[in-house]
Amino acid sequence: EADIYQTPRYLVIGTGKKITLECSQTMGHDKMYWYQQDPGMELHLIHYSYGVNSTEKGDLSSESTVSRIRTEHFPLTLESARPSHTSQYLCASSEFGTTTGELFFGEGSRLTVL
Amino acid sequence: GDSVTQMEGPVTLSEEAFLTINCTYTATGYPSLFWYVQYPGEGLQLLLKATKADDKGSNKGFEATYRKETTSFHLEKGSVQVSDSAVYFCALSDRSGAGSYQLTFGKGTKLSVIP
Repeated sequence: EADIYQTPRYLVIGTGKKITLECSQTMGHDKMYWYQQDPGMELHLIHYSYGVNSTEKGDLSSESTVSRIRTEHFPLTLESARPSHTSQYLCASSEFGTTTGELFFGEGSRLTVL
Repeated sequence: GDSVTQMEGPVTLSEEAFLTINCTYTATGYPSLFWYVQYPGEGLQLLLKATKADDKGSNKGFEATYRKETTSFHLEKGSVQVSDSAVYFCALSDRSGAGSYQLTFGKGTKLSVIP
């Protein structure tokens, strides 16, 4: 069983609100990722991190920001949510020196912006 | 760049039917290949993997063989159950960069199994 946790699982908020999606892992993994999953199920990498104080933008441009102050924690923040941000957000982690590149995923945070 | 193409869904099968979900890939290095599964309302879970050519990954009755000559990694199961209803993602991880891997996912195939 992978030990990676996301909160909240479900969030419904109004336009303009600031939100933070939390992601924590207890596996000591250096690399962490945020994916956005659209209604058609396709996954888009929006942020990743190689380790503490490292953050990189992914393939899909996103208005969200991330931080990595502790190895185990990789929160995602939207300063002013809009309906276009409505989506499922999936956090994942992997070992930096992995020989296979396998990712471990959290259960996801489903965000609805009204 | 790397890419993964998997058969489009949705796929609807009757219980005990044979399942094949096609997956082909393009990669510049020596990728590892994966099938992930996403059950309704959950995140992705690794279903099976293969790290080199001719390897066969298997789990929960599912199998996939890494075919370098056809650049394919098709997912198969001999007899599906209602509980197999989920979205299945084919993915590759290129080992070309030391310590630096990026997973490339296919678009996902939704499987519905009806009793």
